[in-house]
Amino acid sequence: DAGVIQSPRHEVTEMGQEVTLRCKPISGHNSLFWYRQTMMRGLELLIYFNNNVPIDDSGMPEDRFSAKMPNASFSTLKIQPSEPRDSAVYFCASSLEETSYEQYFGPGTRLTVT
Amino acid sequence: DQQVKQNSPSLSVQEGRISILNCDYTNSMFDYFLWYKKYPAEGPTFLISISSIKDKNEDGRFTVFLNKSAKHLSLHIVPSQPGDSAVYFCAASPNTGGFKTIFGAGTRLFVKA
Repeated sequence: DAGVIQSPRHEVTEMGQEVTLRCKPISGHNSLFWYRQTMMRGLELLIYFNNNVPIDDSGMPEDRFSAKMPNASFSTLKIQPSEPRDSAVYFCASSLEETSYEQYFGPGTRLTVT
Repeated sequence: DQQVKQNSPSLSVQEGRISILNCDYTNSMFDYFLWYKKYPAEGPTFLISISSIKDKNEDGRFTVFLNKSAKHLSLHIVPSQPGDSAVYFCAASPNTGGFKTIFGAGTRLFVKA
């Protein structure tokens, strides 16, 4: 298996622009997570899906952030409009079930908003 | 409010010596604990875990110790190798499952040859 796939790996954009991050989870995994990593706060959970349904989005910082999972093999995290403080590494992870403890992470997308 | 705390941002150890990474948690509902390892430009990967019914779990050079009364866990790496240089994240989950996993901020380990 190819593991969790994320694209793009790097994204540089200007403040105010829309940014879309993409994720393909491991085939057969039912849960998908979006995390943000910053120096100060480490890994923060933004949202997680179970069977393509958003279950907990309490970690989404603002209405500028939205996430979708239209099918079991694809998810997006969108920031509109982007701001410099959104600069971080965004990780997607998947797990077999929501009760599974071990999560499998993608390589991340490094977002820079200037 | 950080429920999982890794108070040491970095740690430097000589090759062959023991590395000890520490983690404290505040939520007594946490029931399962994990350590993840992260290399630059890669995502975190699962390293080792421990259930709250145990106080020690060993896997090769890696051992995790859990002290529930102190709400403290540690990861021991013996002997440390240069390839162990990475960021280590401590994580904790309640018994309801991994979807409520909380991660610490990470500790960067440098193993000097």
